Amino acid sequence: DAGVIQSPRHEVTEMGQEVTLRCKLISGHNSLFWYRQTMMRGLELLIYFNNNVPIDDSGMPEDRFSAKMPNASFSTLKIQPSEPRDSAVYFCASSRNQPQHFGDGTRLSIL
Amino acid sequence: DQQVKQNSPSLSVQEGRISILNCDYTNSMFDYFLWYKKYPAEGPTFLISISSIKDKNEDGRFTVFLNKSAKHLSLHIVPSQPGDSAVYFCAASKIRGSTLGRLYFGRGTQLTVWP
Repeated sequence: DAGVIQSPRHEVTEMGQEVTLRCKLISGHNSLFWYRQTMMRGLELLIYFNNNVPIDDSGMPEDRFSAKMPNASFSTLKIQPSEPRDSAVYFCASSRNQPQHFGDGTRLSIL
Repeated sequence: DQQVKQNSPSLSVQEGRISILNCDYTNSMFDYFLWYKKYPAEGPTFLISISSIKDKNEDGRFTVFLNKSAKHLSLHIVPSQPGDSAVYFCAASKIRGSTLGRLYFGRGTQLTVWP
């Protein structure tokens, strides 16, 4: 079975541009988690969904960040406008109960 | 505030010896604990877990021990192999309650196994 699929794997863009990260859940999973990993803060949870409904978005750093689940198998994380301090590796993970299964991440660089 | 702590950022062990990675937590509501392994340029992968009703869980070379009174868990790898070199994350969850499914992660420990 395919795992969690994230795209793109790498994104380099200029400050002020809109960035959209994509995630495809494992079939049958009903929970979706977006994480950000940085040297300073480690692996931090941004937002998570259960059955397509956002449960906790308290980790979303600012209004510039938004996440959606347009259907049960797909999610997007959007940053608009992007800033250099948003540079990090962004992971999504899906689960049905435990454990969570992670994608390989998107390495985002904002110049 | 970090509810799950891994106080050793790195550990170096010789091949064939035991690796012991430690993790402490502060929230007594946690009742399910997991270890993940992460290689560079890949996502974390699930390794082993333990429920709070147990104090030990074993899977091949990997054993996780839970000491609830001390709010401490450890991962033992015996024997260690060079392919075990990775970052190991400890995570905790509250199975019961409103944060269903959420994991709280430690900062990770870089394990290096040398020949």
